[in-house]
Amino acid sequence: ETGVTQTPRHLVMGMTNKKSLKCEQHLGHNAMYWYKQSAKKPLELMFVYNFKEQTENNSVPSRFSPECPNSSHLFLHLHTLQPEDSALYLCASSPRMGRQETQYFGPGTRLLVL
Amino acid sequence: AQSVAQPEDQVNVAEGNPLTVKCTYSVSGNPYLFWYVQYPNRGLQFLLKYITGDNLVKGSYGFEAEFNKSQTSFHLKKPSALVSDSALYFCAVSSAYSGAGSYQLTFGKGTKLSVIP
Repeated sequence: ETGVTQTPRHLVMGMTNKKSLKCEQHLGHNAMYWYKQSAKKPLELMFVYNFKEQTENNSVPSRFSPECPNSSHLFLHLHTLQPEDSALYLCASSPRMGRQETQYFGPGTRLLVL
Repeated sequence: AQSVAQPEDQVNVAEGNPLTVKCTYSVSGNPYLFWYVQYPNRGLQFLLKYITGDNLVKGSYGFEAEFNKSQTSFHLKKPSALVSDSALYFCAVSSAYSGAGSYQLTFGKGTKLSVIP
């Protein structure tokens, strides 16, 4: 285990639903990340938080809404998703935000949008 | 912009044989290079990284990688493959360049390693 947990592990939702993904890290890290992993594509960085402040939004559609209430917790709120949003959503954390920092990943939430 | 190429979608190797998973990169400035492994239904696990210093980096589970600046490569190697090494391997790069977003970790598409008993 890497010390990063994600819930739920699997989620099926309709296009009109609202759901949230949760990530928690027990490593005392200060930076947290959301990634999207689709088949046959590189990991796509979605959001970055550093000391609870959002520092990066990689042109992610507004139907994805992140929230970071503290350095240990990160949420991804989902609403009116599209079938192409089906993917594995990975959360990661690192001690601080920096180019040399190792990121530690959670197991991911497998999302299916019907 | 920085990028990573993993030229092989799949690598097959017999158990006990040496394995190599290839990675080449493109960055501005000095690179920071990482290897991660992903087992089925799991997140990515960190294997090793190159920041500076010795070009041969040793990591977890007997893996090592060699940084070659002239060839802009960072190939992952293991002297003797195990069936349990079968997984998806990702190379990633960030750089010392101070441009916007350059701290981001850019991943390759991944290479599926199959170790045949």
